[in-house]
Amino acid sequence: EVQLVQSGAEVKEPGQSLKISCQASGYSFSNYWIGWVRQMPGKGLEWMGIIYPGDSDIKYSPSFEGQVTISADKSFSTAYLQWASLKASDTAMYYCARLQEQGSTTCPSDYWGQGTLVTVSS
Amino acid sequence: DIQMTQSPSTLSASAGDRVTITCRASQSISTWLAWYQQKPGKAPKLLIYSASSLQSGVPSRFSGSGSGTEFTLTISSLQPDDFATYYCQQYRTYSWTFGQGTKVEIK
Repeated sequence: EVQLVQSGAEVKEPGQSLKISCQASGYSFSNYWIGWVRQMPGKGLEWMGIIYPGDSDIKYSPSFEGQVTISADKSFSTAYLQWASLKASDTAMYYCARLQEQGSTTCPSDYWGQGTLVTVSS
Repeated sequence: DIQMTQSPSTLSASAGDRVTITCRASQSISTWLAWYQQKPGKAPKLLIYSASSLQSGVPSRFSGSGSGTEFTLTISSLQPDDFATYYCQQYRTYSWTFGQGTKVEIK
């Protein structure tokens, strides 16, 4: 059974750094693109970027490039999303999601993590 | 970026109603379109991909149609479990974009 299990909720102050995780199981982690989606409170879904764990190829949405860093560790079947310096506007739910077809980016996401709530407040 | 516009933003309906949600793309995306359902506090769930293909395990009362720039999601007979927010998503070009969502409420 495919599962994506995300790390727990975080409360941080502005300017702090953060790295959240998404551990995959039940499939060949290296062979499927996996990405991150932001959902701000009461708002819609926004794609942030994706990574191919097999070769660490990364594609960022223009809106998020330079704002976050996406990475993956094949040894732990885990993808990561990190911030060097958080802002209050980073307060949101963050979901990881696997793309449906092996090796392809022209497909939807069929499995999602449960979400990680990040709250940034002084 | 390709912009996706859904209508309506909110829809009030009763159980048993036939419901249709529209999604328009700012340029042609062929059939590179998916529909998701999201309930409060939960992750999105894939319902339809390639504009009209039903994801495994999704009830057959859900259907999708369209190509190019105009798409629809239809629920043939609304069930209590279907009250949720629905999003379309294009994946023709990176970066993928979602519609703003349609909330289906109880009338």
